Amino acid sequence: AQKVTQAQTEISVVEKEDVTLDCVYETRDTTYYLFWYKQPPSGELVFLIRRNSFDEQNEISGRYSWNFQKSTSSFNFTITASQVVDSAVYFCALSDENYGQNFVFGPGTRLSVLP
Amino acid sequence: DAGVIQSPRHEVTEMGQEVTLRCKPISGHDYLFWYRQTMMRGLELLIYFNNNVPIDDSGMPEDRFSAKMPNASFSTLKIQPSEPRDSAVYFCASSPVGAGANVLTFGAGSRLTVL
Repeated sequence: AQKVTQAQTEISVVEKEDVTLDCVYETRDTTYYLFWYKQPPSGELVFLIRRNSFDEQNEISGRYSWNFQKSTSSFNFTITASQVVDSAVYFCALSDENYGQNFVFGPGTRLSVLP
Repeated sequence: DAGVIQSPRHEVTEMGQEVTLRCKPISGHDYLFWYRQTMMRGLELLIYFNNNVPIDDSGMPEDRFSAKMPNASFSTLKIQPSEPRDSAVYFCASSPVGAGANVLTFGAGSRLTVL
């Protein structure tokens, strides 16, 4: 069975601090996809990134970066120089090649960035 | 494109009443998903469709829940009769096949409160 663990339930940081959100996954598939979604206080779920299991290159997009390590089954998300607007719940998710039940979300990490 | 459109955004009803939630997916997306989000259970997949055909409804909690997709641009999730434990945010999401496969675009959600 597929599983996503986000051990950090809540994190609080002060603006401009760097913060890393942890994601550990379990799967028996050799081909799979990992995702991060953001849910700001307004409630919608916003797609941030998709990574497939064959691409372990780290990715940077502005202040956001992602570290994918198959050896530790982790797909961590770092926000550099955090801002108040980064305050949200962040979900890590895992999917196999197919849709449906095998698209699994983690429990989410609530990030609060204080001014 | 206007994105995935859900209605109503908020619904307050009394136990025993019928509730109908509506979703218009992004044009051209072949997959449509219904998720439920609660504090206790997080994001749960209820059902998904491919080309208007229900593929997996094993996540539907019980017979009180039903979902339909009469055409490519419209889906409904119905709860009859509603119960207080159905109170949650219900999200609709759609996804294309091809290069954007597996990336779910979510609607803004429908917040249901059953008194």
